[in-house]
Amino acid sequence: QQPVQSPQAVILREGEDAVINCSSSKALYSVHWYRQKHGEAPVFLMILLKGGEQKGHEKISASFNEKKQQSSLYLTASQLSYSGTYFCGTAGDSWGKFQFGAGTQVVVTP
Amino acid sequence: DSGVTQTPKHLITATGQRVTLRCSPRSGDLSVYWYQQSLDQGLQFLIQYYNGEERAKGNILERFSAQQFPDLHSELNLSSLELGDSALYFCASSVGVGGVRANVLTFGAGSRLTVL
Repeated sequence: QQPVQSPQAVILREGEDAVINCSSSKALYSVHWYRQKHGEAPVFLMILLKGGEQKGHEKISASFNEKKQQSSLYLTASQLSYSGTYFCGTAGDSWGKFQFGAGTQVVVTP
Repeated sequence: DSGVTQTPKHLITATGQRVTLRCSPRSGDLSVYWYQQSLDQGLQFLIQYYNGEERAKGNILERFSAQQFPDLHSELNLSSLELGDSALYFCASSVGVGGVRANVLTFGAGSRLTVL
């Protein structure tokens, strides 16, 4: 079953913050975050494996609450380069049937 | 260049036809995934192979089939094509064995299929 992402889209000014949420109805082994810029392939940002663990990529960080089966991606002090569609991906075990959420479109304006 | 090679980049064909999309995984990766992305839509998981064997299956239509060959390249066959099959088809690869980064995906540039 696909994870559920929210919001569908967010528009930010440079320097503003945003949070993207990802939740699953199934127990999760891992949560991945990817970013897809327009006309390009998705690119891996980070993976989270433990409850409460945070990872970071530039000024983008994420958390994973294993008990709640939720992950959040934090865009801090957004830059123009952060624009794109962010997907969370989840797997129920260490490998196999890796499903993505519907994506959150992020637009950062000057 | 991600290291994952997909061909062709673009394909235009008619309804009812059959096409084959090809993917060569990144060197060292044993697992190949196929995803379908329709216009401005999400990534729909189709199927995954690991070292030549089917590992997981998603919402793949019966008209579609795939396989992974001994040299680890994979092919996705789409037959009896319909207008709704028009989409961007991504192949991704991963190491595919146990460990933290076993299923971290590296995507190819995609094959854009247009069915007229």
